[in-house]
Amino acid sequence: DAKTTQPNSMESNEEEPVHLPCNHSTISGTDYIHWYRQLPSQGPEYVIHGLTSNVNNRMASLAIAEDRKSSTLILHRATLRDAAVYYCILRDPGGSQGNLIFGKGTKLSVKP
Amino acid sequence: ETGVTQSPTHLIKTRGQQVTLRCSSQSGHNTVSWYQQALGQGPQFIFQYYREEENGRGNFPPRFSGLQFPNYSSELNVNALELDDSALYLCASSWGVAGGEAFFGQGTRLTVV
Repeated sequence: DAKTTQPNSMESNEEEPVHLPCNHSTISGTDYIHWYRQLPSQGPEYVIHGLTSNVNNRMASLAIAEDRKSSTLILHRATLRDAAVYYCILRDPGGSQGNLIFGKGTKLSVKP
Repeated sequence: ETGVTQSPTHLIKTRGQQVTLRCSSQSGHNTVSWYQQALGQGPQFIFQYYREEENGRGNFPPRFSGLQFPNYSSELNVNALELDDSALYLCASSWGVAGGEAFFGQGTRLTVV
């Protein structure tokens, strides 16, 4: 399975935008880019996913590089509730099994 | 629609004992995956069940076993517990084998002493 690389930690101020980067230079043509986040003392929570085009939902935006070797999760206005570990994961929907391969993720701290 | 629920939330066991963890999947989901999360690490895939059959397994020994029932709920069994088995055990349900969104439970915190 293709690997992803993320910074260990990032800091943000409340109500400012946050850009969380992810590198996936070995991504295959059928891999979707998924983002999950894990708030303290909770299970991971789906955030967003995409293939080639940028994606928006109520939680975040996903910007995917043209060569698909990197992507950025954008939180438009960080809140204290967004403090979590964010995981960037590649997933092939045509694969024989659907397990998610988590790295260590990026721990996002949000300062008031 | 109900979410994924896991029981118990916390558990303390002695080394060498056996433990069973339970997971009720989200309504309409037919696939359940189990993950182990050690402190400070990302979740590690244990195995996946699809329509009551094991459909993939991570790098875990045979003393980790599971079941999926006709209502798609699931159990994770761990025999001969070791101290290193202390972790948060997460269950995730989804529709279908691959792709799409996985819904996680809050996890079971297992401590082996």
